[in-house]
Amino acid sequence: DAVMTQTPLSLPVSLGDQASISCRSSQSLENSNGNTYLNWYLQKPGQSPQLLIYRVSNRFSGVLDRFSGSGSGTDFTLKISRVEAEDLGVYFCLQVTHVPYTFGGGTKLEIK
Amino acid sequence: QVQLKESGPGLVAPSQSLSITCTVSGFSLTSYGVSWVRQPPGKGLEWLGVIWGDGSTNYHSALISRLSISKDNSKSQVFLKLNSLQTDDTATYYCAKEKLPYAMDYWGQGTSVTVSS
Repeated sequence: DAVMTQTPLSLPVSLGDQASISCRSSQSLENSNGNTYLNWYLQKPGQSPQLLIYRVSNRFSGVLDRFSGSGSGTDFTLKISRVEAEDLGVYFCLQVTHVPYTFGGGTKLEIK
Repeated sequence: QVQLKESGPGLVAPSQSLSITCTVSGFSLTSYGVSWVRQPPGKGLEWLGVIWGDGSTNYHSALISRLSISKDNSKSQVFLKLNSLQTDDTATYYCAKEKLPYAMDYWGQGTSVTVSS
């Protein structure tokens, strides 16, 4: 199984700051067709996860351009610029290149 | 618009079976897959399995002996059945619409399941 390691576990930020979250896979997420299936989600308290980024760097419908994804192979990053209060919650990465699909352990974005 | 809604029993006794229904609207089950994901209280997310538009399935290897996913396209419903429940199966169970390149783009609200006698 592809083990997804997210860091940090907790990320205290001040509103207006930039935040960066890392997700590292135990194996390459590029498939034989050259596609890399790595998503980012935000789970706000008491809610189900919402898709932010798909295929490494593509923003999902309605997601603001303050959110950006990058990376390749085994190392991926989610950046949030100008953090706002509505961005707070737990961020998860998910790989769907390999079965079983696997999630990172989550990063809690909170106010410093 | 796309909606998914899970319905489950809430409480299940140890060693019994769990059945959850995911009712969808806004898309066709013949064109899109549905994944099942669970989240134990206060913990992370675990993918359980997926049923695709053509009816084929993929399961998490750790659950393959206990898990079954099926569907009724005409009723827009997907069914999860998990056998031989133990206390560590206590979790919120989610269904999510599934199709590459987006993977799980829309999720249901989740249904909480407690395994206890």
